[in-house]
Amino acid sequence: SQQGEEDPQALSIQEGENATMNCSYKTSINNLQWYRQNSGRGLVHLILIRSNEREKHSGRLRVTLDTSKKSSSLLITASRAADTASYFCATVHGSSNTGKLIFGQGTTLQVKP
Amino acid sequence: DSGVTQTPKHLITATGQRVTLRCSPRSGDLSVYWYQQSLDQGLQFLIQYYNGEERAKGNILERFSAQQFPDLHSELNLSSLELGDSALYFCASSAQGGSTEAFFGQGTRLTVV
Repeated sequence: SQQGEEDPQALSIQEGENATMNCSYKTSINNLQWYRQNSGRGLVHLILIRSNEREKHSGRLRVTLDTSKKSSSLLITASRAADTASYFCATVHGSSNTGKLIFGQGTTLQVKP
Repeated sequence: DSGVTQTPKHLITATGQRVTLRCSPRSGDLSVYWYQQSLDQGLQFLIQYYNGEERAKGNILERFSAQQFPDLHSELNLSSLELGDSALYFCASSAQGGSTEAFFGQGTRLTVV
């Protein structure tokens, strides 16, 4: 079963604009990770944020985590056409020592040139 | 390139048949995970192995089984295949358990006809 709900399911923006995707989850987590998937290909790890962290940056990516609201957001700044992909949040359960990822259903981002 | 290799990339087989999907993890990674991605179920965790031992099990059907060999490569065996087993099957690896990112292979697209 999927833990996360992502919002919006689809997002279409112009190149240069910022894109924000949100993820909510249900149980306590050890960490939350964001992945990108280009059409039908493998998932690429973008960023990992631990439960005791509130914000993390990586290049044009900014991730926030609010454990009190059980939610996270991914911001992509100055988007490019190459950012067109599906983005998934995935959680690792708080008490888990396995690392198994529970994925949300994803947000499909289209960046128009 | 994630360093995780999956073979074959595509597989077409008939209902009732059995197939084996192969995964070579990143060099040094002890954990191997298998995930199934389908349109109706999204990305689902199937099973994890750590250094040859089963570590965690998800919603894996009894018709499916996996193992991890001494050289750390893993195989996912799918038997008595049904049309509904058509999906993308991903392997991922990580250095340890819960607190590190996972690296995904490009997947095996299984079509059952």
